[in-house]
Amino acid sequence: QKEVEQNSGPLSVPEGAIASLNCTYSDRGSQSFFWYRQYSGKSPELIMSIYSNGDKEDGRFTAQLNKASQYVSLLIRDSQPSDSATYLCAGGDHGSSNTGKLIFGQGTTLQVKP
Amino acid sequence: ETGVTQSPTHLIKTRGQQVTLRCSSQSGHNTVSWYQQALGQGPQFIFQYYREEENGRGNFPPRFSGLQFPNYSSELNVNALELDDSALYLCASRLDRGNSYEQYFGPGTRLTVT
Repeated sequence: QKEVEQNSGPLSVPEGAIASLNCTYSDRGSQSFFWYRQYSGKSPELIMSIYSNGDKEDGRFTAQLNKASQYVSLLIRDSQPSDSATYLCAGGDHGSSNTGKLIFGQGTTLQVKP
Repeated sequence: ETGVTQSPTHLIKTRGQQVTLRCSSQSGHNTVSWYQQALGQGPQFIFQYYREEENGRGNFPPRFSGLQFPNYSSELNVNALELDDSALYLCASRLDRGNSYEQYFGPGTRLTVT
């Protein structure tokens, strides 16, 4: 059974701090990883995708992937109260149009306190 | 704004009934996936359609079925509804970018089975 594991939290950080969200996966065949943000009552919103080992930065967000350790993380710099949401980590097959199934973790709830 | 729309927004059905949920994705997005998200959980993959054919299925019984149409719309049909089918149903439209891809979710349909 392919799994993606996340700590459900809540993770509480003060405004302006760095929030670190972590995820592990069991399927070594997974090639692509995604972070989604989901506000309460809303659908998931894609924040970042990462395919290669290392870091990928986009604004205040940095995704990190370590395939040897089967570990994915998301760092949010200068956290704002508006970042308070559930963050979903997902692993997927790579590339071809006849794959692409995403396996999601249960999500980590982030609370940013003013 | 992902360009993915779903209808209806909310739906209440009785156990044993049948339901059809609809999704419209962006032009050029040939792959559509459907996910079920129970409260407090990550989305679970139901199935995927590519060019009007099902090409991937998760651990859901045959009473969950779907269709994809040439105009980038799709349907999820659920027969013989059970109480546990109560969930948020998400349609995801896939954009392929060479060797990578991204999936964008619609706003979802909240189904309640009583």
